[in-house]
Amino acid sequence: QQQVKQSPQSLIVQKGGISIINCAYENTAFDYFPWYQQFPGKGPALLIAIRPDVSEKKEGRFTISFNKSAKQFSLHIMDSQPGDSATYFCAASYSGNTPLVFGKGTRLSVIA
Amino acid sequence: DAGVIQSPRHEVTEMGQEVTLRCKPISGHDYLFWYRQTMMRGLELLIYFNNNVPIDDSGMPEDRFSAKMPNASFSTLKIQPSEPRDSAVYFCASSSLGGDTGELFFGEGSRLTVL
Repeated sequence: QQQVKQSPQSLIVQKGGISIINCAYENTAFDYFPWYQQFPGKGPALLIAIRPDVSEKKEGRFTISFNKSAKQFSLHIMDSQPGDSATYFCAASYSGNTPLVFGKGTRLSVIA
Repeated sequence: DAGVIQSPRHEVTEMGQEVTLRCKPISGHDYLFWYRQTMMRGLELLIYFNNNVPIDDSGMPEDRFSAKMPNASFSTLKIQPSEPRDSAVYFCASSSLGGDTGELFFGEGSRLTVL
């Protein structure tokens, strides 16, 4: 049973556009929602994370939007650049030292 | 710190052979995780350790897979015998807070191809 569902599987965005990746979760006990970024040949690296006590978190061009009632959260990349081309993973976990559960990933390509 | 170090980076082997993947976590981190990445299934947690003790190995696909952590600075993931369906990228990650609130630091992965 997949606990975190991520969409789309792949995404092509023009340079300067907005990239949007969505995730939905099932376990209402989840209280930590990070996004990881992975470049080819590298391991994933933490990009940005949010907790349910806020509905939005912004770091530079990257924003997480969180909708607790809908059990959904999304990553928005503003002014997308070719250097943002990577695979993005959403994830979730809950307090109690449980490991992260990852979505299947979204391959983003930003074209000039 | 050099980060999480994995070896080998690439491994090509024939079906039935034993494969051993190695990981050195970041010094001071007390959690270590083994993940497997495939196109079809994404990132799957195989097993994780806390203070060198295996906590949850429910993600290990079958008895052909085993993992050890003999000390705080070294872990291995072994597949014996290997099968073509084991072909994937295997990642080791470490953390100081169990991954639920702390950042996971991943190695660069070991790409395994079983012919």
